[in-house]
Amino acid sequence: KQEVTQIPAALSVPEGENLVLNCSFTDSAIYNLQWFRQDPGKGLTSLLLIQSSQREQTSGRLNASLDKSSGRSTLYIAASQPGDSATYLCAVNLDSNYQLIWGAGTKLIIKP
Amino acid sequence: DADVTQTPRNRITKTGKRIMLECSQTKGHDRMYWYRQDPGLGLRLIYYSFDVKDINKGEISDGYSVSRQAQAKFSLSLESAIPNQTALYFCATSDPRTGLPGELFFGEGSRLTVL
Repeated sequence: KQEVTQIPAALSVPEGENLVLNCSFTDSAIYNLQWFRQDPGKGLTSLLLIQSSQREQTSGRLNASLDKSSGRSTLYIAASQPGDSATYLCAVNLDSNYQLIWGAGTKLIIKP
Repeated sequence: DADVTQTPRNRITKTGKRIMLECSQTKGHDRMYWYRQDPGLGLRLIYYSFDVKDINKGEISDGYSVSRQAQAKFSLSLESAIPNQTALYFCATSDPRTGLPGELFFGEGSRLTVL
């Protein structure tokens, strides 16, 4: 059974630092992996989607990597800002349909 | 206006009451989903629908029912609410014809408290 783990559950860093959020999964047979951002009262926003054949995706200050063989993905945030404070969730897609398996998230706080 | 709209956004009810959470979307997507989120846990799939005539149970469907009234509308019902159904509920849509497979678009969530 596929399980997705995000460690740490919470992280607090000073503004301006580069940081890495981790996501691990137990079964390497995935279709793709997504990173989402969750803001209180505003739902979830898709940040990056990495197909199983890809190694990384970039969007602005965000870079997500995927290593299927080791069952790991990382979300790199460069030059963090207080507006980056949110909960970051990763989800593994088992096929092209609905089978998303979610991590519990990492709550990130960027201190001014 | 949001592409995926959930109502109500917040609801407090009592044990045994019937509750309906509604979701409507303007994205024109065929696929719609209901998830619940509990503190410290990832999202879990309750029901999903790939078109108006297609309804499927997800991981945790017991105690819930759904109705796909139209392509744009997907409702979640709790026939007799119980306290452990207190959670944050999300509706989501997707359409592999227009986006990446598995790419989801979420509503803002409905926070339900059952006393």
